[in-house]
Amino acid sequence: SYELTQPPSVSVSPGQTARITCSGDALPKQYAYWYQQKPGQAPVLVIYKDSERPSGIPERFSGSSSGTTVTLTISGVQAEDEADYYCQSADSSGTYKVFGGGTKLTVL
Amino acid sequence: EVQLVESGGGLVQPGGSLRLSCAASGFTFSSYWMHWVRQAPGKGLVWVSRINSDGSSTSYADSVKGRFTISRDNAKNTLYLQMNSLRAEDTAVYYCARDRKSSGWSNWGQGTLVTVSS
Repeated sequence: SYELTQPPSVSVSPGQTARITCSGDALPKQYAYWYQQKPGQAPVLVIYKDSERPSGIPERFSGSSSGTTVTLTISGVQAEDEADYYCQSADSSGTYKVFGGGTKLTVL
Repeated sequence: EVQLVESGGGLVQPGGSLRLSCAASGFTFSSYWMHWVRQAPGKGLVWVSRINSDGSSTSYADSVKGRFTISRDNAKNTLYLQMNSLRAEDTAVYYCARDRKSSGWSNWGQGTLVTVSS
């Protein structure tokens, strides 16, 4: 079955830039989406179509894509950004959806 | 305001069945594909199933295929997940989510907890 691979954890100090990667063979063909999840809460969409930002999401959140890897970048990280982040996409057919394993962002 | 409210979770014995519901409001439910996603305690998000807007097409993760059935009642603005032959590894919070196609899954419910245990 298709898999997306994320690093388990990323740590940054406040004000620095955090980059979270997600790798998968079908990413050149399928859009990637990023979700933020804080403890006890439902996921929130922060990036769609690789690099688009929904309304209401701060400009410090951005996304990019290169080959089989997509990257979520959080510039000027704030304490409130501490959360789990999940990439999501689909297999090459688009039929089966998949999430990455999640990355815990720690703000030091 | 878009709202998705899951219900139907609870404690069930291994081998048992449960039906989850997701009541939708604030949007034209019959126009959107919908998904179920689950999250085991302390673990990551896992896609479970999706259904198209009129209910004529469904797909499932391999882990639930043949045991779970997704359906919808567009007249009642409600999504369902019938779960049979439940196993301990099905224990999770189950979320429903609205699929806005390339705009992503922009709306999620608060989740309902399913615990499979004897």
